[in-house]
Amino acid sequence: GAGVSQSPRYKVAKRGQDVALRCDPISGHVSLFWYQQALGQGPEFLTYFQNEAQLDKSGLPSDRFFAERPEGSVSTLKIQRTQQEDSAVYLCASSLRTNQETQYFGPGTRLLVL
Amino acid sequence: GENVEQHPSTLSVQEGDSAVIKCTYSDSASNYFPWYKQELGKGPQLIIDIRSNVGEKKDQRIAVTLNKTAKHFSLHITETQPEDSAVYFCAASLGGSYIPTFGRGTSLIVHP
Repeated sequence: GAGVSQSPRYKVAKRGQDVALRCDPISGHVSLFWYQQALGQGPEFLTYFQNEAQLDKSGLPSDRFFAERPEGSVSTLKIQRTQQEDSAVYLCASSLRTNQETQYFGPGTRLLVL
Repeated sequence: GENVEQHPSTLSVQEGDSAVIKCTYSDSASNYFPWYKQELGKGPQLIIDIRSNVGEKKDQRIAVTLNKTAKHFSLHITETQPEDSAVYFCAASLGGSYIPTFGRGTSLIVHP
């Protein structure tokens, strides 16, 4: 069966550009998470959706970061006016139910801001 | 908030040896402890998890132990194989939070 997919896999942006990262969760999964993984670090939580509702965005580092999941399936993480410190791997994960703690991760999008 | 410390950062073993990775957590209310394996260019994959009402869990060559009093938990891999080479992350989360706090990872290298 299909796992979590993310696109693009790699993105190079010039400082100041806007970027949009896409996540396709496993079909039917209610919960969706975004994480940021800096080089040599563990993933750090950014935001959490339950269906289309964004229930937690406490991890978003600034108001330049915005995420949406309008129909409760595909999600997009948008970063406006990218900065060099935004360079990282952005991971998406989904889980089947709201009380299901097992998360299935996608391969990530590696963002490099020059 | 929760803080998870993971050691060692790098672990090199010979094929067939055992490997042990240790983590400590700070929030005594944490009750779910997953371990993830991340291969190069891929996302983390859950390999085993343990809940706070259990002291040990085993799945073939992998085992996890939990000491709630000391707030530490460990991953044990026996009879290591070259394909076990990857970065391993521990994590801890509060029940119902669904949001794990990850350790910084251990790069395991298994030499054939």
